Order: sequence, then C-alpha cells, then structure tokens
Amino acid sequence: SQKIEQNSEALNIQEGKTATLTCNYTNYSPAYLQWYRQDPGRGPVFLLLIRENEKEKRKERLKVTFDTTLKQSLFHITASQPADSATYLCALGAGTASKLTFGTGTRLQVTL
Amino acid sequence: KAGVTQTPRYLIKTRGQQVTLSCSPISGHRSVSWYQQTPGQGLQFLFEYFSETQRNKGNFPGRFSGRQFSNSRSEMNVSTLELGDSALYLCASSLKTLTGELFFGEGSRLTVL
Repeated sequence: SQKIEQNSEALNIQEGKTATLTCNYTNYSPAYLQWYRQDPGRGPVFLLLIRENEKEKRKERLKVTFDTTLKQSLFHITASQPADSATYLCALGAGTASKLTFGTGTRLQVTL
Repeated sequence: KAGVTQTPRYLIKTRGQQVTLSCSPISGHRSVSWYQQTPGQGLQFLFEYFSETQRNKGNFPGRFSGRQFSNSRSEMNVSTLELGDSALYLCASSLKTLTGELFFGEGSRLTVL
C-alpha cells in the first residue's frame, strides 16, 4: 500500500539556521507533491507545489526538491524564524487535485 | 475574498448519534473535498465533490456521506457515530481540477463520547 514517511520526531532548530524536512514515499508514482503548513487548531495552508518533472522549486525562504528516483522530497526553510514553528505536511497527488495522500507531518520548533 | 468556512467549529456527540457538518468554499471554487485528521492517522481523504457530483471517495465506511449543492456549498454526514470518529474534519476547496492547491477551512472538531 502507499506509504509516506516524514520525520516523526520534532525538529528543533536555532533561529537563523536552515531547517530541512524530509518526505519519503513508497508504492506511489505521484504526478506532483505539495507542502503545507499547519498551526495548532488550524487548517493546513498551502506552501509549494512541485511536479514530477521538476527538480527544485523556490519561494522566498522556502525551497523544495523532488527526486522521483529516490522517492524523496526535501523541504528547506532558510534563515528560519520562531514564526516558522509549525507542523509541515507533505502531500502527494496523481490525478484530480483534491485527492491527496498526506504524510503525518513534522513538527518544527525554531528557538531564539 | 472570504476563505473556506466550516460550521460548527466544535461539537460533542454521543455514540449512535449522527452529525452533519457544513462547508462553504471560496467563491468560484467548484471542487470541495473532505478530510479526516486524527493524531494517529494524520489527514485522510474522505470524498470530493465537483458540480454536485461525488468524483472521488476514500476508504471510509458507508456511514460517512456527503453532498454538494448548486451553490457549491457542501455537507458531510456521519451516522451511527463511534468513538473512533472523534477527529478534526477539514473541508478544502480548489479552483483547479488538476494539481491545484487546496484551500482548507479551520475544521470542525468532533468529539464522540
């Protein structure tokens, strides 16, 4: 069955450093991959989308890579800030936009 | 532009009861999908509606159902509630039908006692 793995442990990082989150998947051939941010008690918020034929995508301090051979995506936040503290979810899709398969998320804590 | 609105935000039910949750998508978005989020399973796809038709369905029992109205507003219903149905139910709307980003509401937190 399809499986998506994200770091189950919380990631603690110092302000100003680069945070790197991983998303590994098996038994899946996604057409695209998305990253979302979720704050406690709130719905997820879309951050970035990368398609299977793209290697890298950037948006401000965010960068995502997508390696379909390794079946892995890396999500980077450069110059991290305490406001970046949240849970980050990766989601894979193939076909219609609404049927995404989500990972369980990685909680990021940025400290001063 | 108003975001996705879900009501109610919180509700408590007892086993055996049924519940109806409501979702108003972003204006112009015709696709509405529902997800269940629990600490153990994460976000799991329930179903998607587009132009009043169910287009996709996840692996949930028939107790979970939904519908979409002509104004794109959607409702989901869970009958014969079980303790395991306690979760955050999230509604999302989308403008694009392929590879589009999802816009989520704040969710409806259901507790089943």
